Amino acid sequence: DAGITQSPRHKVTETGTPVTLRCHQTENHRYMYWYRQDPGHGLRLIHYSYGVKDTDKGEVSDGYSVSRSKTEDFLLTLESATSSQTSVYFCAIWTGNTEAFFGQGTRLTVV
Amino acid sequence: KQEVTQIPAALSVPEGENLVLNCSFTDSAIYNLQWFRQDPGKGLTSLLLIQSSQREQTSGRLNASLDKSSGRSTLYIAASQPGDSATYLCAALYSGGGADGLTFGKGTHLIIQP
Repeated sequence: DAGITQSPRHKVTETGTPVTLRCHQTENHRYMYWYRQDPGHGLRLIHYSYGVKDTDKGEVSDGYSVSRSKTEDFLLTLESATSSQTSVYFCAIWTGNTEAFFGQGTRLTVV
Repeated sequence: KQEVTQIPAALSVPEGENLVLNCSFTDSAIYNLQWFRQDPGKGLTSLLLIQSSQREQTSGRLNASLDKSSGRSTLYIAASQPGDSATYLCAALYSGGGADGLTFGKGTHLIIQP
């Protein structure tokens, strides 16, 4: 699993509340990614980071923000959660030999 | 827009059969292609990575091929077992620098009947 830990693993939150998901890696890789996985859509890129404080938007970034203040941590924040953000969120890292590894996922339900 | 397509979306075969899963991509300028396995409620497990300069990779009963000119990759599973039942995803990396991440297909849901 390349030392990737996501927290929390499950969360239920109410519409309009802020939510932060955490991805932690132990192997000092430069690139980190946040994806969401939904039935019928597959995995889609939300945001990615190519270094400390260096981030960029992916395909479905609206309503999400990210931060990376340390190499090992990449945070995904839903500023004001909506029901459309109910999904499974995956963090991934990209190693030096171009292989990608994924965390175990966070199942988020917005009610 | 770069797209990755997997056919079939679902497949059910008896145990012991050899099978092929297909993946097609729209842009031949890929950097690499990676195959993953996902069990229900779980994360993605990397199976095989094929660099753009390679034509195939093998791991145990799995063999993945890459044909950039035709925009296709195949995952061959030999002597299938019930434990192979899972969703198989292919993903293309289009940027050598890691930007934009992987573009995923929607997966093939595989069931191996005992």
